[in-house]
Amino acid sequence: DQQVKQNSPSLSVQEGRISILNCDYTNSMFDYFLWYKKYPAEGPTFLISISSIKDKNEDGRFTVFLNKSAKHLSLHIVPSQPGDSAVYFCAASLTYNTDKLIFGTGTRLQVFP
Amino acid sequence: DAGVIQSPRHEVTEMGQEVTLRCKPISGHNSLFWYRQTMMRGLELLIYFNNNVPIDDSGMPEDRFSAKMPNASFSTLKIQPSEPRDSAVYFCASQGENTGELFFGEGSRLTVL
Repeated sequence: DQQVKQNSPSLSVQEGRISILNCDYTNSMFDYFLWYKKYPAEGPTFLISISSIKDKNEDGRFTVFLNKSAKHLSLHIVPSQPGDSAVYFCAASLTYNTDKLIFGTGTRLQVFP
Repeated sequence: DAGVIQSPRHEVTEMGQEVTLRCKPISGHNSLFWYRQTMMRGLELLIYFNNNVPIDDSGMPEDRFSAKMPNASFSTLKIQPSEPRDSAVYFCASQGENTGELFFGEGSRLTVL
């Protein structure tokens, strides 16, 4: 029973364009959402997060949008760069801290020149 | 500034053998998590500890899996006996108090032949 779903296993985008990665969740009690980025042979690293009281959070080229009614969040990368090529994991938690993060299956983003 | 340290980075073993994976969390972090990454299920939470106490082990797949955290600076994940379907990358992550972000190690890639 996958509580956090990333239905697109891969995405290919041209450099300079926008990348949009999507994530859906089933548990309406989730209160905190995060995106992690993972390069091959490395551990995932934190990218950006959003609390359920917000609908948008921006950090440089990265913006996360949250639609609570649809139980959907998305990560926008503008403009996309070749160095953004990685696997992106969406994660959700019931509380801000000291609680388990439930991850999705990941989306592999490839940014080509 | 040392991050989460995992060992071994790679382990190849034969079915039936015991496997022990090790993790040293970031100093001062009070929560530790063990995740397993597979293509089908993404990052799957196995168990997590808070202040060295196991809080939730519902993700541990079978009795063949066990985890310990004897002190704040060390944890082990043991598989006995190992099976080919246990082949995956196992990640350890730690989390500080009053922060929602997890810091991951580089992972231990396990191959069971």
